Amino acid sequence: NAGVMQNPRHLVRRRGQEARLRCSPMKGHSHVYWYRQLPEEGLKFMVYLQKENIIDESGMPKERFSAEFPKEGPSILRIQQVVRGDSAAYFCASSPDQRGNTEAFFGQGTRLTVV
Amino acid sequence: AQRVTQPEKLLSVFKGAPVELKCNYSYSGSPELFWYVQYSRQRLQLLLRHISRESIKGFTADLNKGETSFHLKKPFAQEEDSAMYYCAPSHPSSNTGKLIFGQGTTLQVKP
Repeated sequence: NAGVMQNPRHLVRRRGQEARLRCSPMKGHSHVYWYRQLPEEGLKFMVYLQKENIIDESGMPKERFSAEFPKEGPSILRIQQVVRGDSAAYFCASSPDQRGNTEAFFGQGTRLTVV
Repeated sequence: AQRVTQPEKLLSVFKGAPVELKCNYSYSGSPELFWYVQYSRQRLQLLLRHISRESIKGFTADLNKGETSFHLKKPFAQEEDSAMYYCAPSHPSSNTGKLIFGQGTTLQVKP
């Protein structure tokens, strides 16, 4: 089991472009979480998805950000019209169920730089 | 508002010294409590969780409900313990694995 795979590892975008971040969960995991880490800060929850459903998007900015987890393929975090403040590390985690005491397995993250 | 505080950004100790990484949380309800660790160039991984009451790599963490703390301790630090440590309760009011992370503490163990 290769673990949670995120790509790309590094992404550079100019202001106004779109950024697409991909996350393939561990085999057998159908629960995906996205977190954002701004410089000098801890990880902040963004969104929780199950296959084809967004369960909790309370941490997502209201505009420009969207996420999906289709029946087939990876979960995608999409940022439209990126701005400098979107520069951060974005981490994906997966788990086999939604229980609060279940271990989450993390990917290595995507570092987004907006220039 | 729910909050997790790790007051030390950096903790530097000598090999063999005791270590305590502090974590305080402010929540209503009873969260599940975790410590995650990130070694250099590796991904974030679970170190231990309160519910298991286990000791991993010599680390233990005791929940003090009165002080709302979940400090991580090790009696004798090793150089390989140098890493970033995050305290992370899961959100108590939702039946999900959503985690609330502290700011993290960098542990530096000197030879």
